[in-house]
Amino acid sequence: SAVISQKPSRDICQRGTSLTIQCQVDSQVTMMFWYRQQPGQSLTLIATANQGSEATYESGFVIDKFPISRPNLTFSTLTVSNMSPEDSSIYLCSVEEGGRGHFAAEAFFGQGTRLTVV
Amino acid sequence: AQTVTQSQPEMSVQEAETVTLSCTYDTSENNYYLFWYKQPPSRQMILVIRQEAYKQQNATENRFSVNFQKAAKSFSLKISDSQLGDTAMYFCAFVEGSARQLTFGSGTQLTVLP
Repeated sequence: SAVISQKPSRDICQRGTSLTIQCQVDSQVTMMFWYRQQPGQSLTLIATANQGSEATYESGFVIDKFPISRPNLTFSTLTVSNMSPEDSSIYLCSVEEGGRGHFAAEAFFGQGTRLTVV
Repeated sequence: AQTVTQSQPEMSVQEAETVTLSCTYDTSENNYYLFWYKQPPSRQMILVIRQEAYKQQNATENRFSVNFQKAAKSFSLKISDSQLGDTAMYFCAFVEGSARQLTFGSGTQLTVLP
């Protein structure tokens, strides 16, 4: 099973600043996913990050606000830019393991980053 | 677009008792996968159990089992012999066979009472 290290685990940031969240996986994976979990809510997919290509963003999320890097098969970053209190959420990265051209047996998640914007 | 609905925002159960969490979904696909994830206060998402739509037999993992009713598009989770450590938010999730990202339900907060 994949082990995902995500950092920081939590941060309190000033309005208007940016925060970069890092996600490190202990194995090579094709796709990495970034989710947002607003307080008391479910997980919403922000984007899918493929190595060597632009990330694919879901409706309601744009690259200028949530730029993503994917420099290699084990690492990705998500930046939350020009933050406002509405960005206060838990952000999680996720990977899948085992797929041979189809959906894998299991998705693994980092422990999440709890972001509070003041 | 596929949707996942969990109609029970909160539930509680006495320790050692059995509880069932409900989930319904909507899809026009025939090939898909269903999951139950658990998120304890530590925030770590943990896979509890999964079900492939093409399998008629209900999945079972120790104290956890599902009742998969494909025609009704229902996928409930039964937890037997509930333990205090089962206290968590439980999310039902869905993915089509050709897709790669999960669609999550709104979650059910389960509290196991001593």
